[in-house]
Amino acid sequence: QSALTQPPSASGSPGQSVTISCTGTSSDVGGYNYVSWYQQHPGKAPKLMIYEVSKRPSGVPDRFSGSKSGNTASLTVSGLQAEDEADYYCSSYAGSNNFFGTGTKVTVL
Amino acid sequence: EVQLVESGGGLVQPGGSLRLSCAASGFTFRNYWMHWVRQAPGKGLVWVSRINGDGSSTSYADSVKGRFTISRDNAKNTLYLQMNSLRAEDTAVYYCARENIAAAGDYWGQGTLVTVSS
Repeated sequence: QSALTQPPSASGSPGQSVTISCTGTSSDVGGYNYVSWYQQHPGKAPKLMIYEVSKRPSGVPDRFSGSKSGNTASLTVSGLQAEDEADYYCSSYAGSNNFFGTGTKVTVL
Repeated sequence: EVQLVESGGGLVQPGGSLRLSCAASGFTFRNYWMHWVRQAPGKGLVWVSRINGDGSSTSYADSVKGRFTISRDNAKNTLYLQMNSLRAEDTAVYYCARENIAAAGDYWGQGTLVTVSS
C-alpha cells in the first residue's frame, strides 16, 4: 500500500489557473471513477471539493474542476483567489481500501 | 445540519490503548458508511478504516490492521475506533468522516488529537 503521488507544491497569481495531478495505479485511480479531492486550510478539517472524478458538491465554486486519464487524476482551479491558498489532497477508492494522495500546497502569489 | 464530533483523544504511553468516539447528528446514521482518517503533525491525510451502515463490513489500512478496531452503535449514532498496542507513529489528529454515495467524505468532524509518548 502506498499513497497516491501529487506534486508537493503549485502556485499561480490571482486570476490564473493551476492544475494538480494525482497519480496512482490501475488498482485505484485507474480502476474506479471514485476519485475525490479535498481542500484543507491550516488547522481545519478537510473539505470535499470534487467527487466521482469531476462532480462538485453543492456550494463548491465552478472554478474547481476535476478530470481523469488512465491512472492519473487532475484538479484544476481556475481564476485563482486568495482563499484558494491551501493544501489539496486527492483520494481514491481501491476496493478493500481507500488511499489519499501525498498532498499539494497551493500558493497564490 | 450534519455534525460529526470526535472525542476520546489524549496522551497515551507506547503499547497503551485508547478508544475514540464520533457522535453523529443531522442525518440517518445507519444509512452511511463511515471512515476514520488521520493526520500526523505537519503531514498528509492517511486513511485508517471504514465500516458499512450495519457494521457487518470493515476494512483497515495495513499499518493498523490487527491493532485497531472500527465499530458503530446505530442506536447511539456513534462511531468508534478502538486503538490497541499504540506506537509513536500513531500520533496524529484523527478525523471521522461520512461517506457519500461515491466513496467520498462529504462531512468531517473537527478531529481529536492522539499523542503516543512516554
